[in-house]
Amino acid sequence: DGGITQSPKYLFRKEGQNVTLSCEQNLNHDAMYWYRQDPGQGLRLIYYSQIVNDFQKGDIAEGYSVSREKKESFPLTVTSAQKNPTAFYLCASSELDRTNYGYTFGSGTRLTVV
Amino acid sequence: GDSVTQMEGPVTLSEEAFLTINCTYTATGYPSLFWYVQYPGEGLQLLLKATKADDKGSNKGFEATYRKETTSFHLEKGSVQVSDSAVYFCALSDLSGAGSYQLTFGKGTKLSVIP
Repeated sequence: DGGITQSPKYLFRKEGQNVTLSCEQNLNHDAMYWYRQDPGQGLRLIYYSQIVNDFQKGDIAEGYSVSREKKESFPLTVTSAQKNPTAFYLCASSELDRTNYGYTFGSGTRLTVV
Repeated sequence: GDSVTQMEGPVTLSEEAFLTINCTYTATGYPSLFWYVQYPGEGLQLLLKATKADDKGSNKGFEATYRKETTSFHLEKGSVQVSDSAVYFCALSDLSGAGSYQLTFGKGTKLSVIP
């Protein structure tokens, strides 16, 4: 079945460490997105990508980095510069030419700083 | 720019009660409208959608009608169940905008259904 896989489901980070969250899709979607969700809050866009080797900052990109070397993959690195990284991270993908189909989301990664 | 406004929660209902979650939008073009549902600890799932005025999206007993005259897309269900407890997000995709591939989300409304 087609879908988006995020891993790991739970991730623990020590202060000062970089960690990378994985996002893989087999839907042949061109666009991919990363969102952050804090408890009781809505979604905030971190980064998005329309095409391989190209990506744009969202509303809260500081302290995060991404890459898009393959169409299927859009990993997110939470760097030590992100001062408050504890949150739920969601990856999504969509087609570009028929956006009335909306997004497909992964099941999320919960990151906790210890 | 585009925006989505949802009623603030949390909303608490007894089982079998009628549900309405209000959603209004502003958009520069002619958007497609969506409702997503997020169960605890999970990602968002598409619940229903509508792509033109007067369209009614429906799924799992939930319905929403695209009202262009009132710029609204309210979510309704006639009889909620405990299993409907989740956070519901209204969203739009405005195909005329520069960022037309992106969805604009509301802040979400948490629904709790008690037995």
